[in-house]
Amino acid sequence: GAVVSQHPSRVICKSGTSVKIECRSLDFQATTMFWYRQFPKQSLMLMATSNEGSKATYEQGVEKDKFLINHASLTLSTLTVTSAHPEDSSFYICSAGPPGQGREQYFGPGTRLTVT
Amino acid sequence: GESVGLHLPTLSVQEGDNSIINCAYSNSASDYFIWYKQESGKGPQFIIDIRSNMDKRQGQRVTVLLNKTVKHLSLQIAATQPGDSAVYFCAENSNTGNQFYFGTGTSLTVIP
Repeated sequence: GAVVSQHPSRVICKSGTSVKIECRSLDFQATTMFWYRQFPKQSLMLMATSNEGSKATYEQGVEKDKFLINHASLTLSTLTVTSAHPEDSSFYICSAGPPGQGREQYFGPGTRLTVT
Repeated sequence: GESVGLHLPTLSVQEGDNSIINCAYSNSASDYFIWYKQESGKGPQFIIDIRSNMDKRQGQRVTVLLNKTVKHLSLQIAATQPGDSAVYFCAENSNTGNQFYFGTGTSLTVIP
């Protein structure tokens, strides 16, 4: 099956700093990837759609200047949390789907961000 | 977004019993649905999917039922095992793109 990886799996950063999270499709190319955020004991909330070669599309209420998304290649999307604050601490998960295989999405293992 | 950040409801079942997990979806335009299983600290794992032109789909030990009239999905797990303990989410998708919106989720605990 299709494999999506994320790096790092865990990161701790100080308040006010920025942190970058990578999402890679390992065995397929993805023109579109999706970023989700999940707080403890809650559901996954779609943040944005990452589009290769063009700007990301953000869901309502998500600050695009705070959560910078770059889809640099067909196998890599990055999410940068800028000027992080403790309330940004969360589990960030990406997904992607192989082209030509319907709409099924494969999820990465997630990145646990803790802002101190 | 279409999902709401509520705290997870819980379901406890005895090992060997059948489990039924319910989900209400919000978008009447959604025509494709997936049930995901999420273990602690991991990403969601695909269980089974169903398209809106179907009412029922069966997999190995799992069955998904779709009621479009009331916008309701259910996941039935037969002979529940301890390894089934996890959080289960339904996710909905419309044919306008590949983004999925997740339901509230249910935390399933299997009692040995």
